Formats: sequence, C-alpha cells, structure tokens
Amino acid sequence: QVHLVQSGAEVKKPGASVKVSCKASGYTFTTNTIHWVRQAPGQRLEWMGWINAGNGNTKYSHKFQGRVTISRDTSASTAYMELSSLKPEDTAVYLCAREVSSGSAFDIWGQGTMVTVST
Amino acid sequence: SYELTQPPSVSVAPGKTARMTCGGNNIGSKNVQWYQQKPGQAPVLLIYYDSDRPSGIPERFSGSNSGNTATLTISRVEAGDEADYYCQVWDSTSDHWVFGGGTKLTVL
Repeated sequence: QVHLVQSGAEVKKPGASVKVSCKASGYTFTTNTIHWVRQAPGQRLEWMGWINAGNGNTKYSHKFQGRVTISRDTSASTAYMELSSLKPEDTAVYLCAREVSSGSAFDIWGQGTMVTVST
Repeated sequence: SYELTQPPSVSVAPGKTARMTCGGNNIGSKNVQWYQQKPGQAPVLLIYYDSDRPSGIPERFSGSNSGNTATLTISRVEAGDEADYYCQVWDSTSDHWVFGGGTKLTVL
C-alpha cells in the first residue's frame, strides 16, 4: 500500500525555521512529484510548492517564495519542506501529497504535521 | 491570480442529492479536482479530470464542469458524507495549484 508518513508536531518561536519530513513507501519515490499544502485553523487548503522527486526540480508559490525550501533524499524516499522566518500566522497543519503520474491530481496525502508558532 | 469560489455551506437530508459548486473564470477550460476532508483527517481525492473517480470512490460521487462553474454531485447522501469539500485546479498562467475555499456539507 502507498503511504506518506510525516514527522511529528513542532512548536517554534517567531523568527525560527521548521523542517517537516514526508516519507514515502509502497511505490517508487522518484516517479512522482510531491506537493506541500498547508491549512491554517479553520482555513482553506493553501498550495506551497512541489518537488519532482526524480530530478529534484522545484516550484514554489509566489506567496512563500524566499521563505520555503523543498528538498528530497532519494535514498530515504523522503521529501522535506523547510519554512523560515516563522510568524504566528504560519501556525497550521502542513501536508505533503503525491501527484498522480498523469499530473492531474493529488492522490495520496500524508497525515499532516501541526506547526505552532508562538512566543 | 486565479480564484475559485465555493459556497461556505450546503445542507441536505439523508437519501437526497447534494450539489456543490465551484466558480472560476472559464473554469470549464481547466481540469477540476474535488477532495473530501473530514475533521482531523487529510483530504481524500474524490474526482479528477472533472468527472473521473479514483478506484474505491463510490459512484454516488460525480462531477461536471462547464463555463464558469464546476459541480460536485453526491447522490443518495449518507450521514458519513458530512465533511468539507474542496475544488482544485492548476492555473497554467501562474503555474500554481489553486484550491477553493471549501464547502461544509451538513446532513440533516
């Protein structure tokens, strides 16, 4: 079975950085693109960016450009999302999702990682 | 940037049909996805390419897309269908993925 398993909850102070991991299993990691999406409490899903797990190419949302870095470790079948200069409004659940090979949708999602930014 | 508009809430009685809309400028020219999200859970893909269902998704869930509106239809609604529903498209102009604001389905 295909799974994406994310790292655990984090609490950070404003100005710090956070790095969330997303470990894939049940399929060949390098054949799909991994996306990162976040959801602030009571808010809509918000796309942050993607990484092509095969060649490492990335694309970021304009909103997060300069603050977000998405990377991967193919030997560990794991994608990472690092967000810097954290603000309280970055408090959210961060989700990774696999894009289907046809490029049409996100078919498998991680369980989510709660990141709390507070003094 | 491209925007998707969904009604905040829809209510329906069990056994009836629920229709949820997703509005966007010429959305009919884009591929629309629909996701179901229950409280505390990750989203689940319900519909892709406007109207295709992944394996395991019941035929009660269907989608359509034309003009400026895409629609998710749930037939014979069950209590377990209570959830938030999000539409999504890829905007080629910005090369960004965009989600709607979500519709909360309440089963009366």
